[in-house]
Amino acid sequence: AQSVTQLGSHVSVSEGALVLLRCNYSSSVPPYLFWYVQYPNQGLQLLLKYTSAATLVKGINGFEAEFKKSETSFHLTKPSAHMSDAAEYFCAVSDGSNDYKLSFGAGTTVTVRA
Amino acid sequence: KAGVTQTPRYLIKTRGQQVTLSCSPISGHRSVSWYQQTPGQGLQFLFEYFSETQRNKGNFPGRFSGRQFSNSRSEMNVSTLELGDSALYLCASTPTQGDGYTFGSGTRLTVV
Repeated sequence: AQSVTQLGSHVSVSEGALVLLRCNYSSSVPPYLFWYVQYPNQGLQLLLKYTSAATLVKGINGFEAEFKKSETSFHLTKPSAHMSDAAEYFCAVSDGSNDYKLSFGAGTTVTVRA
Repeated sequence: KAGVTQTPRYLIKTRGQQVTLSCSPISGHRSVSWYQQTPGQGLQFLFEYFSETQRNKGNFPGRFSGRQFSNSRSEMNVSTLELGDSALYLCASTPTQGDGYTFGSGTRLTVV
């Protein structure tokens, strides 16, 4: 069984500052890991995914995440926040045993201050 | 290419009624999953279908059911609606596990 923990339900950053969203996972087999973003009244949009090809993953809109097996972490970063980054972000895990079920973290809401 | 389409976008139902939600996946995506999103419980997995077969089911009562058709379109049904069923229901499709799911915009169900 897999699970995800996102540290911090709310993060506030200044425009231009670093965005860091933390995600830790547990999985009994090598996992697939994903970050999704959700804007108000919309579905989830895939930001990036880890599928064992490379530990540093680059996604859309300038986001990237690093898979650290020893720390069971998959933290999301963006060097310089933009006002349009204000949204809710979800980390998700699917274990590698051909179980397509996604387990999501509770989400982190990002606000960006001008 | 077209994304995942969910209909209707908004729905208001009365307690005790039943409801059917529809999802059209991206062409070529054979795996379709459903998720319930609420402020209290977050995103919870309902079920996953692949080639018309339910492969996985989440921890929801039997009032929640679904099916997938030969063209991969999927429906989910909730019978005997309760107030707690009010939620955003999201459908997602993928060609393979590692690709990550593409989500639709969801159906906002309100039970009164």
